[in-house]
Amino acid sequence: SQKIEQNSEALNIQEGKTATLTCNYTNYSPAYLQWYRQDPGRGPVFLLLIRENEKEKRKERLKVTFDTTLKQSLFHITASQPADSATYLCAPGHDSGNTPLVFGKGTRLSVIA
Amino acid sequence: EAGVTQFPSHSVIEKGQTVTLRCDPISGHDNLYWYRRVMGKEIKFLLHFVKESKQDESGMPNNRFLAERTGGTYSTLKVQPAELEDSGVYFCASSLIAFTGELFFGEGSRLTVL
Repeated sequence: SQKIEQNSEALNIQEGKTATLTCNYTNYSPAYLQWYRQDPGRGPVFLLLIRENEKEKRKERLKVTFDTTLKQSLFHITASQPADSATYLCAPGHDSGNTPLVFGKGTRLSVIA
Repeated sequence: EAGVTQFPSHSVIEKGQTVTLRCDPISGHDNLYWYRRVMGKEIKFLLHFVKESKQDESGMPNNRFLAERTGGTYSTLKVQPAELEDSGVYFCASSLIAFTGELFFGEGSRLTVL
């Protein structure tokens, strides 16, 4: 069955460092991968989408990579700030429009000042 | 532009009672989804509407759950009768393009069944 694993449940890093979050998937061939941010008591908020033919995508301090050979996506936050503290969810998906977007359990990132 | 709104934000009911959750999607979004997060687990898909039609309800746990989307606007999710394992946060999301684009989520409705 399809499985999505996000590297760790929680990740603590010092302010100013680069945070790297991992999303691995098995029994899956997604056409794209989405990343969302979720704050406590709030709904997920879309951050980035990377397609299978894209190796890397950037948005401000965020960078996402997608390696279809390794079946892995890496999500980087450079120059991290305490305001980046949140849970980050990855969601591989298909282009059919009929296949539900499935989410990983998420990684809770804490950026310590 | 108003985002996705959900009501109530929190509901506490006794086992066996009925609860109805409501979702108002972003205006113009034909696609509406319900997801659920049970404590400690990932957010799981429940169902997908395209306008007023159920496109996919493969994630609905059982027939105690009934979702409707009258007129293709707002949607309701009714749980009747509620069981303890139904406790969790129910998220509604909407989008212009089915799944392949960004999903806009509401803040969720937390359901506690005692």
